[in-house]
Amino acid sequence: AQSVAQPEDQVNVAEGNPLTVKCTYSVSGNPYLFWYVQYPNRGLQFLLKYITGDNLVKGSYGFEAEFNKSQTSFHLKKPSALVSDSALYFCAVRDIADSNYQLIWGAGTKLIIKP
Amino acid sequence: DTAVSQTPKYLVTQMGNDKSIKCEQNLGHDTMYWYKQDSKKFLKIMFSYNNKELIINETVPNRFSPKSPDKAHLNLHINSLELGDSAVYFCASSQSWGGTYEQYFGPGTRLTVT
Repeated sequence: AQSVAQPEDQVNVAEGNPLTVKCTYSVSGNPYLFWYVQYPNRGLQFLLKYITGDNLVKGSYGFEAEFNKSQTSFHLKKPSALVSDSALYFCAVRDIADSNYQLIWGAGTKLIIKP
Repeated sequence: DTAVSQTPKYLVTQMGNDKSIKCEQNLGHDTMYWYKQDSKKFLKIMFSYNNKELIINETVPNRFSPKSPDKAHLNLHINSLELGDSAVYFCASSQSWGGTYEQYFGPGTRLTVT
């Protein structure tokens, strides 16, 4: 069965430090992987996706994510955190082998950037 | 220009009432979705429509009925509202069904049932 895990409910980072939000997945085929961000009282916004090719994917607001097939991970990273990055982050996966094309969502990770 | 819009933004109603939430997208997308986000922020897909056809109907009570009059609109009607229906409901759209397409979300409708 397909699944995606975000092992940390909350991540705390000091402003200016690098940040990592973790995501691991389980699919039977190859994955399409996505990151979304939700600011307070807003809808989700697409950040970036991995489809194929280069394992390092760059997205909006200076975020990037690294696809690691052997570790079945797709961690979200940013070299220098901003207070404005504080938000809820969702990882999602779609299994290419799933004929229903279901998008499976993680539970979300709350990122808090302290000044 | 708002890409995906929802009305109303807030909805407060009593148990047993019937209410509707409207969604419109101006992105020219073929696929639209309804999600429910509970108080713990878990996101659950409810329905997916592709070219006005229902594609996914998750285990949602049949009190919830989506309707897609055209590709740009997907409305959600809820009958006999219950306390457990209180949540934020998000509409979303994507260029097409499945594959590599990312989804674009509306601002959400916060439904409170008293």
